[in-house]
Amino acid sequence: AQSVTQLDSHVSVSEGTPVLLRCNYSSSYSPSLFWYVQHPNKGLQLLLKYTSAATLVKGINGFEAEFKKSETSFHLTKPSAHMSDAAEYFCVVSGRGTQGGKLIFGQGTELSVKP
Amino acid sequence: GAVVSQHPSWVICKSGTSVKIECRSLDFQATTMFWYRQFPKQSLMLMATSNEGSKATYEQGVEKDKFLINHASLTLSTLTVTSAHPEDSSFYICSVGGSSYEQYFGPGTRLTVT
Repeated sequence: AQSVTQLDSHVSVSEGTPVLLRCNYSSSYSPSLFWYVQHPNKGLQLLLKYTSAATLVKGINGFEAEFKKSETSFHLTKPSAHMSDAAEYFCVVSGRGTQGGKLIFGQGTELSVKP
Repeated sequence: GAVVSQHPSWVICKSGTSVKIECRSLDFQATTMFWYRQFPKQSLMLMATSNEGSKATYEQGVEKDKFLINHASLTLSTLTVTSAHPEDSSFYICSVGGSSYEQYFGPGTRLTVT
């Protein structure tokens, strides 16, 4: 079965400093991985996706993530945080086999950005 | 990606009544839509997979007689919460499947049952 673990439930950074949100995955298949962002009382927006092409994936709003198979990780980074980045971030793996067609969500990481 | 809308964005209803939530795919014909439930400060929980023209597939533990899903067209799926109770209060989000396993999410519906 597929699963994801987000290693931090809450991350706090200062505006202008780098952001690192950590995610490890488990999959017996070649995974498709995603990062979604959710602002308060809003739906989810796709930041970026990995689907077995380039291992360094660039997304919207300056975010990027690197797929590392040897470490089973898919960490999300941004060089310089902005106040508008404060939100909940979800690392997600696509299901395969009996979980086919479904998305398996991590528990989420709340990002706070201090002025 | 697909643009997905939900209506209403929030609703308050009395205990024992039913409420219908609509999910529309505005620019994409969706044979499959998904319904999620999200409690405060928690991740999304998949409730059911809605297939156009056929019965929805419910996740284990989700009462299909309580959460009625209808997917009558390629652009519309509805979730009806029947005989709602305060414990049904939650944030309900729908999504549409994309071409590379990703999903595109609606803005969500906040349901409060009093």
